[in-house]
Amino acid sequence: QSVLTQAPSASGTPGQRVTISCSGSSSNIGSNTVNWYQQLPGTAPKLLIYINNQRPSGVPDRFSGSKSGTSASLAISGLQSEDEADYYCAAWDDSLNGVVFGGGTKLTVL
Amino acid sequence: EVQLVESGGGLVQPGGSLRLSCAASGFTFSSYWMHWVRQAPGKGLVWVSRIRSDGSTTNYADSVKGRFTISRDNAKNTLYLQMNSLRVEDTAAYYCARAATGAPNANDYWGQGTLVTVSS
Repeated sequence: QSVLTQAPSASGTPGQRVTISCSGSSSNIGSNTVNWYQQLPGTAPKLLIYINNQRPSGVPDRFSGSKSGTSASLAISGLQSEDEADYYCAAWDDSLNGVVFGGGTKLTVL
Repeated sequence: EVQLVESGGGLVQPGGSLRLSCAASGFTFSSYWMHWVRQAPGKGLVWVSRIRSDGSTTNYADSVKGRFTISRDNAKNTLYLQMNSLRVEDTAAYYCARAATGAPNANDYWGQGTLVTVSS
């Protein structure tokens, strides 16, 4: 049972815009910044979004992040087949004094 | 080029110990927070521990507190994870990851992972 809640799966067709949500609480998302990771099959995770909405160098602007209250979202526009991956949200938790991850959302490009 | 290379994984019996290492290169290791994150086969990411750049602060997930110890040798550019009293549920790929500048809990570079299998 993950502290941050994500839907286990999502899907979209090429070119479509999809949104992946992450729900937390006042001790994590509500009081700290959110980071998003992409994990392609058989590879290490890759930082996609940090501090809620910042993109590391090299991450396409098709990926965007937002946060409101105790929830956060990752949006992917112009969906491409290579976006098929697992996506994880993460945040610091003040009560647990550690980083908490969501359970991950498996994105399928139809 | 930033590189993180983990080693030390393997098969160990329940109750046993293992020490993981993560050799860092391509950046000023002593300036960055470092983390360990694990992933059981077919499961999601789980944070394990983090250590401040100078080693003065460490944090642990409740599931490993008292059993695992994170440390670093800045002179050797190496991060460690000493794992004692290992349990079957500790079986996972263990990744070391660097914290991004200005964001100590966001990991911008990851190693390839080292597999730890706890089984009798």
